[in-house]
Amino acid sequence: GENVEQHPSTLSVQEGDSAVIKCTYSDSASNYFPWYKQELGKGPQLIIDIRSNVGEKKDQRIAVTLNKTAKHFSLHITETQPEDSAVYFCAASISKLIFGTGTRLQVFP
Amino acid sequence: ETGVTQTPRHLVMGMTNKKSLKCEQHLGHNAMYWYKQSAKKPLELMFVYNFKEQTENNSVPSRFSPECPNSSHLFLHLHTLQPEDSALYLCASTREGLAVTDEQFFGPGTRLTVL
Repeated sequence: GENVEQHPSTLSVQEGDSAVIKCTYSDSASNYFPWYKQELGKGPQLIIDIRSNVGEKKDQRIAVTLNKTAKHFSLHITETQPEDSAVYFCAASISKLIFGTGTRLQVFP
Repeated sequence: ETGVTQTPRHLVMGMTNKKSLKCEQHLGHNAMYWYKQSAKKPLELMFVYNFKEQTENNSVPSRFSPECPNSSHLFLHLHTLQPEDSALYLCASTREGLAVTDEQFFGPGTRLTVL
């Protein structure tokens, strides 16, 4: 079955710097790759997603890239702000979502 | 708020207790999900209900018993749990359960501790 690996598990950056979180997936048939953000005391919330027919997608300060050949996809956050501090989960899917283990991002003022 | 509420937010129970977790969605969705979230592990899908019918049971032990009386409510009945069942239990909903690309709306979770 599908397996998703996510790195790093923790990431600390200075406010204004960029943050990059990387995921790899095992099943080449996966065709949908969402990213969820989980703030303290809340459930995960979708922030951006990408489908297998697209290589890159951007929404303001966040962007996601997909390399189908290498089975890699990444989340890029530019100009980080303290409110970006949260746990971020990637996921891949064919028939159901398989989540990564999460990355705890801390943005220091 | 996401439109998905869960009660209670925290629950401590002994291994011989019986308790229930409740989830309610106010989004008019037709599919509801239970996930288990443990530290440093991926979210584990437990159950899926689509139009009140269970469409997925991800090899969950029988000490977890789901119930979906209507498309807006989902319960997880717990009995004779083990300490390793301690985790955050998340409920989610989507418009319908067949399109994996539907955005999942999560509740805040119930933090369960089994003593």
